[in-house]
Amino acid sequence: QKEVEQNSGPLSVPEGAIASLNCTYSDRGSQSFFWYRQYSGKSPELIMSIYSNGDKEDGRFTAQLNKASQYVSLLIRDSQPSDSATYLCAWSFDTGRRALTFGSGTRLQVQP
Amino acid sequence: GAVVSQHPSRVICKSGTSVKIECRSLDFQATTMFWYRQFPKKSLMLMATSNEGSKATYEQGVEKDKFLINHASLTLSTLTVTSAHPEDSSFYICSARGAGGDSYNEQFFGPGTRLTVL
Repeated sequence: QKEVEQNSGPLSVPEGAIASLNCTYSDRGSQSFFWYRQYSGKSPELIMSIYSNGDKEDGRFTAQLNKASQYVSLLIRDSQPSDSATYLCAWSFDTGRRALTFGSGTRLQVQP
Repeated sequence: GAVVSQHPSRVICKSGTSVKIECRSLDFQATTMFWYRQFPKKSLMLMATSNEGSKATYEQGVEKDKFLINHASLTLSTLTVTSAHPEDSSFYICSARGAGGDSYNEQFFGPGTRLTVL
């Protein structure tokens, strides 16, 4: 079983709509969760980090974490064509090396 | 803040040569850096954890004698691909963990190095 599951997409949404990206994970340890955005040919860029249950908002982005159900999601409001990229969810333990485990990524396409 | 640089950004080499990639944290000290590899249309795979002043920790299946890692200072880690072969062609990306506070668990990535072995 993969440790982090993401729908590979592509997820296509019209400009101005809300894009919803989801990620499930299998480990129940004490963890931190992250959403990264990766444009083609570029390295990942950190968008959001979330450590506790509930919602965390930053501009047009909202991360949601539900540890009981083992999922983390990212909502992008007012989607723009420039948001078109691959979105990677990742987690790390809160102790030790804190190395990241990545999902396979969801490709988002925002249609103008 | 939290800027990580990587050099070179792109390298093409002949089979059998060695290639050194540098990763620097520009505005913070990083006791731990990470090296990832990414093949086309695949996710990032952790290769090793680079620890300042001590030996690197390699993931299962990664040859430590082929991928030499040195973390000589709090701002510099290097990855040397020894005797590179075409199957080593990939996108190599380093990251460094934040210095403290809320960013302590966050990792910031360098721009990556695209290695092509002919």
